[in-house]
Amino acid sequence: EDKVVQSPLSLVVHEGDTVTLNCSYEVTNFRSLLWYKQEKKAPTFLFMLTSSGIEKKSGRLSSILDKKELSSILNITATQTGDSAIYLCAVEIRNNAGNMLTFGGGTRLMVKP
Amino acid sequence: DTEVTQTPKHLVMGMTNKKSLKCEQHMGHRAMYWYKQKAKKPPELMFVYSYEKLSINESVPSRFSPECPNSSLLNLHLHALQPEDSALYLCASSGLSTATNYGYTFGSGTRLTVV
Repeated sequence: EDKVVQSPLSLVVHEGDTVTLNCSYEVTNFRSLLWYKQEKKAPTFLFMLTSSGIEKKSGRLSSILDKKELSSILNITATQTGDSAIYLCAVEIRNNAGNMLTFGGGTRLMVKP
Repeated sequence: DTEVTQTPKHLVMGMTNKKSLKCEQHMGHRAMYWYKQKAKKPPELMFVYSYEKLSINESVPSRFSPECPNSSLLNLHLHALQPEDSALYLCASSGLSTATNYGYTFGSGTRLTVV
């Protein structure tokens, strides 16, 4: 059975701190790993990672995939209160029926002023 | 257009009602999905349509009935739901090649309450 595990489950930090969120997976037919930020509504796309060792950056957020370790990390530097959200990791797999995403349980991040 | 549009945004229905959720995208994506998300849980896959054909049904009860009238539209027909079906229903689409670097695009969701 395909599995995606995120850690920690929740995290409380103060503004300006740097955080690292973890995602590990055990799946068959891996195609990509995606990170999403979810506040009150739908998940907002952050990154899609397909190649190992290549860091993707967007402002204060960055992410990297390690296919050997079957894991990915999401870093947020100089955190702000607006970064408070649930961060979801999802792995895209492909089988005979098509492509599908399996989500991890999410990391709930709270950034205090 | 890089959006997935879902309507309605909120829906309250009784257990004997019949209602439909709608989802539309114009990105040329040929795969569309319905997810269900309960509070404080990740989204759970319900259905996958690939080239307008149902390719995955994750053992969803028959009171949920998906329909894909064309490559841009995806509906979810609801009938005789239970209060435990109350959740955020998310539609998503993706290009099957995943070459766009956008990954999956989610709609803003329909928050369903069954009373």
